[in-house]
Amino acid sequence: AQSVTQLDSHVSVSEGTPVLLRCNYSSSYSPSLFWYVQHPNKGLQLLLKYTSAATLVKGINGFEAEFKKSETSFHLTKPSAHMSDAAEYFCVVSGNDMRFGAGTRLTVKP
Amino acid sequence: EPEVTQTPSHQVTQMGQEVILRCVPISNHLYFYWYRQILGQKVEFLVSFYNNEISEKSEIFDDQFSVERPDGSNFTLKIRSTKLEDSAMYFCASSELASSYNEQFFGPGTRLTVL
Repeated sequence: AQSVTQLDSHVSVSEGTPVLLRCNYSSSYSPSLFWYVQHPNKGLQLLLKYTSAATLVKGINGFEAEFKKSETSFHLTKPSAHMSDAAEYFCVVSGNDMRFGAGTRLTVKP
Repeated sequence: EPEVTQTPSHQVTQMGQEVILRCVPISNHLYFYWYRQILGQKVEFLVSFYNNEISEKSEIFDDQFSVERPDGSNFTLKIRSTKLEDSAMYFCASSELASSYNEQFFGPGTRLTVL
C-alpha cells in the first residue's frame, strides 16, 4: 500500500524567505511522486513530479523537490517565497490511483 | 492551454435526491478520474475510467455512485440518492496515459452540498 504524510498542516513564512514543505512517503516499490498546488477556487495544478530519473526535480515557479530514498522523503522547497505562493500544497504518490497527503497550507506574510 | 472543466461549480441538493456532476476532460486524454475532498480532509480517489469501463474504484465508490461517458466529450459522476455525508468537493481529472508516471490534470471542482 502506498501513502504520503505531510508533516505540517500549516507553514507560515515571510516574503523573500525560504519555503520548506515536508513530505514522507511509504511505498512497496519505486514510487512516482508529485507535488500539486491548489489556489482558492482553482483546480489542482502540478508543480513537479519525480519518476525515477534525477533525484532533484525542478518545477514551475521556482519550486524544487529532492527525492531521498534513504529518508523516504520528497520535501518541496523554494529559495524565496512570493506572496502569490500562498496556497494549499499536496504531496501525492501514484500507483493504480493517486494517494494524496492531507495538504499543507502555506501563508506568506509581507 | 487545454484544461479540464467542471459544471456546476456549486450544487446544492436535498438528501435523497439524485445529482449528476459533469466534467469535460482534455480532448486527447483517454483516462478519466473522480476524486472527492470532504471539508478538512484528504483528497480521496473514487474511480478511474478507460475505454468506457471502470478501471479501478475505491471502497468509497459504492452502488449509489456511477460514472458515464455519454458522448465524446463529457464524463459524468452520478450519485443516485445523496446522503449528508456526500457533501464534499468533487474533482475530475484526466490523463493521456494510465502510467503511474503520468500527470493527471485536474478540474476546478464541484462543491456539492447535501441538505
